[in-house]
Amino acid sequence: GQQLNQSPQSMFIQEGEDVSMNCTSSSIFNTWLWYKQDPGEGPVLLIALYKAGELTSNGRLTAQFGITRKDSFLNISASIPSDVGIYFCAGQLGNEKLTFGTGTRLTIIP
Amino acid sequence: DTGVSQDPRHKITKRGQNVTFRCDPISEHNRLYWYRQTLGQGPEFLTYFQNEAQLEKSRLLSDRFSAERPKGSFSTLEIQRTEQGDSAMYLCASSGRGVSNEQFFGPGTRLTVL
Repeated sequence: GQQLNQSPQSMFIQEGEDVSMNCTSSSIFNTWLWYKQDPGEGPVLLIALYKAGELTSNGRLTAQFGITRKDSFLNISASIPSDVGIYFCAGQLGNEKLTFGTGTRLTIIP
Repeated sequence: DTGVSQDPRHKITKRGQNVTFRCDPISEHNRLYWYRQTLGQGPEFLTYFQNEAQLEKSRLLSDRFSAERPKGSFSTLEIQRTEQGDSAMYLCASSGRGVSNEQFFGPGTRLTVL
């Protein structure tokens, strides 16, 4: 099935650094969502975006819905050890299925 | 705990056996979704219910797969004659009746077919 292009595929950073990742699609979406998944668990919703150009924050996380409705980015400021995991973007039209990105694996180097 | 729950969390079965998974959505949610996730990939959509009506099925859902939501509450996903390629994490999500379409996921059922 279709998966959105997400980059980078993996990141190795030191605690305290800022992180930026993005997601692009060939088709438009009405909603963009960002999830975090820990090993063996289901994805946990971090941020939802509903309008093109919207910039939304949730604590140290900031996400933007691209003006073309075909992309989104997620920033994490001042990373901490519990930020380790895999981050997925997802696009949605209406109440329908989510189309997920390929994921960004975040590792914090001691 | 009022989140999405799934049972079992892990299932090991032999090729050719049938398996059934259960999902209990957040109680006030009327929409329920099933996804499959293989190692290193994002979740992929399988099927979607609004109340008891199954509104969409992915082409990933072969005729060996069937999902039901008989009373518009919990849902079951059955796989008949399992194959090794069915090994994956099966995720359930639910979303509510309002404008917000945010989907909340359960912990998943990890299926291993030997």
